[in-house]
Amino acid sequence: KAGVTQTPRYLIKTRGQQVTLSCSPISGHRSVSWYQQTPGQGLQFLFEYFSETQRNKGNFPGRFSGRQFSNSRSEMNVSTLELGDSALYLCASSLAWTTGELFFGEGSRLTVL
Amino acid sequence: QQQVKQSPQSLIVQKGGISIINCAYENTAFDYFPWYQQFPGKGPALLIAIRPDVSEKKEGRVTISFNKSAKQFSLHIMDSQPGDSATYFCAASRVNDMRFGAGTRLTVKP
Repeated sequence: KAGVTQTPRYLIKTRGQQVTLSCSPISGHRSVSWYQQTPGQGLQFLFEYFSETQRNKGNFPGRFSGRQFSNSRSEMNVSTLELGDSALYLCASSLAWTTGELFFGEGSRLTVL
Repeated sequence: QQQVKQSPQSLIVQKGGISIINCAYENTAFDYFPWYQQFPGKGPALLIAIRPDVSEKKEGRVTISFNKSAKQFSLHIMDSQPGDSATYFCAASRVNDMRFGAGTRLTVKP
């Protein structure tokens, strides 16, 4: 059974640009959540989607957005990139959140110059 | 806002020793408390989890202790091995929402 796949794995952008990251969850998983990981801040919750609906959102500015497609694949977008957006962005999937267990991808490492 | 506070930030333990990591949470609505283990270059993976109706859970060398009244929980790794060297994250979860601690980098010296 394939795990959670995130693309691209690495990318470099400059300030002011925008970026789109993609996440393919484990087959059958309908919940996808996104996290920002930075040294010292740990994992910060961005948002969670279930059946194409955003059910919860963390404390991030509106520049951070996401969506989920009917096949449960998800994308997140960051517009007007800032230096502080440099981080590892992790996607996690779960069946329906009720078990609480998340299955993480290996992340997309974004560097903003 | 840091809804889950984790300590220590880093921990060095000799092989065979006990590794202890502590976490405290604020929101009593949380009802699931997992620990994730992350190796460099990999995403976090679930290590063990507990629900608040249980005070302790043990799986192999790993134990979670949970104190509901104090809103604290801890991870104990007995007989720590160099292969346990990783970053550990505690988390507190409710439906649609999981909040993580800042992480503890564990190094087990041979």
